[in-house]
Amino acid sequence: ETGVTQTPRHLVMGMTNKKSLKCEQHLGHNAMYWYKQSAKKPLELMFVYSLEERVENNSVPSRFSPECPNSSHLFLHLHTLQPEDSALYLCASSQDTGLEQYFGPGTRLTVT
Amino acid sequence: RKEVEQDPGPFNVPEGATVAFNCTYSNSASQSFFWYRQDCRKEPKLLMSVYSSGNEDGRFTAQLNRASQYISLLIRDSKLSDSATYLCVVNMKRPGNQFYFGTGTSLTVIP
Repeated sequence: ETGVTQTPRHLVMGMTNKKSLKCEQHLGHNAMYWYKQSAKKPLELMFVYSLEERVENNSVPSRFSPECPNSSHLFLHLHTLQPEDSALYLCASSQDTGLEQYFGPGTRLTVT
Repeated sequence: RKEVEQDPGPFNVPEGATVAFNCTYSNSASQSFFWYRQDCRKEPKLLMSVYSSGNEDGRFTAQLNRASQYISLLIRDSKLSDSATYLCVVNMKRPGNQFYFGTGTSLTVIP
């Protein structure tokens, strides 16, 4: 299935690095999301974009910076992360906010 | 109190068994409800939306009880391929547009 793609699939970065995660959806959806999934914890919604406008920012630290240049692409820019930021980062999209979401395969991030 | 609560299990059932999961939510303003399945080290995949009247998709039946604030998922005639973690998801549009995921219920179907 290639409805929602994410790159890279795995990323190891040091605490002083800057990197970006990329998400692309091929479903014609209007809403896109970033989630964090840590071991033994539920998915945490980080950001919501609807028609390229950010509609939710759930008190996420500023070392995570989202960007949505168009309705098909979503980025998560990372800088000066902490080891506790190591997790699976999932992108999702939906036709509109509040509707069924479709997830990408995720980026497994390790911060050393 | 957590927004969404699920029994983490694990549920270990033999092939062909019927198994049911419940999920409770705390906010009566919740509007949309979903069940997802997640295989180990994979992304969540939509299993079904949950409608007020209840809905069925093959061996899977989902029900919503707004008065008691819970949703349920029933799996009949379990298959080995049903082994996964089942996530309950609740959406609220006020305040903000929030999706809350449960921690998931683990199911293993045994031959």
